[in-house]
Parts: sequence; C-alpha cells; structure tokens
Amino acid sequence: EVQLVESGGGLVQPGRSLKLSCVASGFTFSNYGMNWIRQAPGKGLEWVAYISSGSSYIYYAETVKGRFTISRDNAKNTLYLQMTSLRSEDTALYYCARHGGADYWGQGVMVTVSS
Amino acid sequence: DIVLTQSPTTLSVTPGETVSLSCRASHSIGTNLHWYQQKTNESPRLLIKYASQSISGIPSRFSASGSGTDFTLNINNVEFDDVSSYFCQQTQSWPRTFGGGTKLELK
Repeated sequence: EVQLVESGGGLVQPGRSLKLSCVASGFTFSNYGMNWIRQAPGKGLEWVAYISSGSSYIYYAETVKGRFTISRDNAKNTLYLQMTSLRSEDTALYYCARHGGADYWGQGVMVTVSS
Repeated sequence: DIVLTQSPTTLSVTPGETVSLSCRASHSIGTNLHWYQQKTNESPRLLIKYASQSISGIPSRFSASGSGTDFTLNINNVEFDDVSSYFCQQTQSWPRTFGGGTKLELK
C-alpha cells in the first residue's frame, strides 16, 4: 500500500524557518517525481514545488522561489521542503504528492506562520 | 502561467442527476489535465488523469473529456457521497496550476 506521511509542521513566527519531511512507503520512491502542494485554510490547492526522481529537475512556484528548497533522499525514501523567510501567507496545509497527475497524496501537515 | 478557470463555483444538485463541471485553460494544454475530488477534511484524490483516462477504484459514474483549452468532468447519477470540491490541474507547463474548484452540494 502506497503511503506518504508528512511531518515537521507547526506554529512559527514570520521570518523564521521550518523543514517539512515526507516519508514514502509501498512503492519504489526513487522512480517517481514528487511534489509539494499546499492549501490555505478554506482555499483551493496551490502547487509549490517539484523534484524529479533523481533530483535533476527542480521547479518552484514564484510565490516561494528563493525562500523554499525541495530536496529528497532516495536512500531514506524521504522528501523534504526547507522553508525560510516564512510569511503569514505561507500558512497552509502542506501535502506531498507523487508524480505529475498526483496519484497519491499524504494526509498533510499544517504550517501556521504567526507572531 | 496557465490559468485554469472552473465553473460553476458552486453546484447544487438533486441525487440521481447528471452534472457537468467545466475547466477552461488560458492556453492550450493538450490533454495534460487532471481532475481531483476533495471531501471535507480529506486529502485530494485523483479522479481522472490526462483529460479522460480513468483511475482504478474510481466509480464509473465519473468520466471526463476535452483537449486544448476546454475540459469537462461528468458525474452520472450523483450520489450523496459525491459531495466534495472538485479541482482540475494542468501538467503541460511549469508552474503547475490548479483551477479554483467547484463545490458540489446536494439539495
């Protein structure tokens, strides 16, 4: 069974940093590109970042470019999102999701940016 | 960026009806369009990939069509369990973008 389990969220002050993790199981993680997608409370879905299976290709939404860094450790079956210079508008539920047409999603991890 | 416009924003239907949800792209995206269902307090679930390809485990009452800029998700014989928000997403180009969603309610 495919599982994606996010962790690392929480309450953080504006300007601070946070690192999210997503542990994958039930499939060959190293064969798939991965995404971070977020959803602000009561809002729609916003794609955040993508990393290819071997980390050769990385893309970001303009809203996070220069502040967020996506990475992965295929040996640990883990996807990461390093978030710096956090803003109130980054407050959202962050999902990791597999592949392009995202066929599997985690349960999400909440990030709240507030003083 | 490719903008996806979904309509209507909210749809109120009677169980048993057949409904069509629209997703229009600002530029041609071929068939690189995917549909998701999201129930309240749940993660999104992939319903249809590449405009019309069915997904294992998704009820056959869900179907979709379209290419280029106009796409449609059809739900036949709507059931109570279909109360959800529905989102489209394009994977034609970067950045990936989602439509604003259609919320399906039952009368």
